[in-house]
Amino acid sequence: GEDVEQSLFLSVREGDSSVINCTYTDSSSTYLYWYKQEPGAGLQLLTYIFSNMDMKQDQRLTVLLNKKDKHLSLRIADTQTGDSAIYFCAETPGPRRSGNTGKLIFGQGTTLQVKP
Amino acid sequence: EAGVAQSPRYKIIEKRQSVAFWCNPISGHATLYWYQQILGQGPKLLIQFQNNGVVDDSQLPKDRFSAERLKGVDSTLKIQPAKLEDSAVYLCASSLDKLAGVSYEQYFGPGTRLTVT
Repeated sequence: GEDVEQSLFLSVREGDSSVINCTYTDSSSTYLYWYKQEPGAGLQLLTYIFSNMDMKQDQRLTVLLNKKDKHLSLRIADTQTGDSAIYFCAETPGPRRSGNTGKLIFGQGTTLQVKP
Repeated sequence: EAGVAQSPRYKIIEKRQSVAFWCNPISGHATLYWYQQILGQGPKLLIQFQNNGVVDDSQLPKDRFSAERLKGVDSTLKIQPAKLEDSAVYLCASSLDKLAGVSYEQYFGPGTRLTVT
């Protein structure tokens, strides 16, 4: 089945690192994504990782993928108050072939609160 | 490059009324998605178009929801009649092409917040 789970809330102090975790069930997922949603706004793609990678770094963001445990994490270094938002983990279920529609399965989102 | 446009941004209707949402994807994007996001949850796919054809509408409540993308560009999503549980944010997203792109990068519009009273 297709299911993505996230913890609901994380609170950190400004300047600390934040780690948001996600688990998924579809072992054939091709791509895994992290999206950010600020109040009243749509979803902003932060980064994604292909399933044959273990790690991807993009400036302050580090994505770690443990395919054996079906676990994905997003680390934000030097967290700022502007990072306060809801973060969604998402997967594209199934292998990449003509029958894969590319739809996204989202987790329920993790609210990140950054305290000054 | 202009992003995904949606209108209206907010809509309040009474139950059993009808409502329509409009989406204009990023220019050149062949694939268009409509998602429903209920408060406190992640978005859930309602329908996906490839150009003007439907790819996936398995989660669309077809007794009350309909969607079209007549010329392969703009799309409208309609609810008739609305129920209280339809209160949600309706997000439109587009992607370049499900086969041509490096990944299925989807770009989201700001959404339409629907309140059904």
